[in-house]
Amino acid sequence: LAKTTQPISMDSYEGQEVNITCSHNNIATNDYITWYQQFPSQGPRFIIQGYKTKVTNEVASLFIPADRKSSTLSLPRVSLSDTAVYYCLVGEGDTGRRALTFGSGTRLQVQP
Amino acid sequence: DTEVTQTPKHLVMGMTNKKSLKCEQHMGHRAMYWYKQKAKKPPELMFVYSYEKLSINESVPSRFSPECPNSSLLNLHLHALQPEDSALYLCASSLGIWATNEKLFFGSGTQLSVL
Repeated sequence: LAKTTQPISMDSYEGQEVNITCSHNNIATNDYITWYQQFPSQGPRFIIQGYKTKVTNEVASLFIPADRKSSTLSLPRVSLSDTAVYYCLVGEGDTGRRALTFGSGTRLQVQP
Repeated sequence: DTEVTQTPKHLVMGMTNKKSLKCEQHMGHRAMYWYKQKAKKPPELMFVYSYEKLSINESVPSRFSPECPNSSLLNLHLHALQPEDSALYLCASSLGIWATNEKLFFGSGTQLSVL
């Protein structure tokens, strides 16, 4: 069963770059890595997804090393509105289940 | 339309009541999900429907009864709930359940309080 490990919390200041790393040592060969953002009392929102190397969109970048045992979500120049919980999800290996199980997530607090 | 709509947004019910949560999407997605989220905890998967058939039941107590009348609608029927069932109930949808790059689209949830 693929499992993810993330830091419980992180603090940052407005304008800084924030990097959140997720460990997924048992990721299956064909699984993607997907990150979601969640604000209080709202459903999670898809941020970015990748399989290998680097992916960038208008919100974030995702860095995945060659062994794919970890991934790093990079948020450039954060603002107060980026304060949220960030979850990384991977599939569940041989069960065939896709990325449906949320780990503990990382609670990001951005200060002025 | 890229939204998943959940109603009601808030619900208070007694332990003897019967109520239903509703979820709707018009993105042509064929998989729909119910999650339960307690305060400051991650969402926990409850049920998965694929092509209107129940695909996954995460050993959820029978006082929670899901229903998928068609590919756009998902209901969660509640009966004889306990106070510990108070939580945010989230509905999600995805294109399918088989691709390794499926993305989940979530609604804003129903905040349920059981008295």
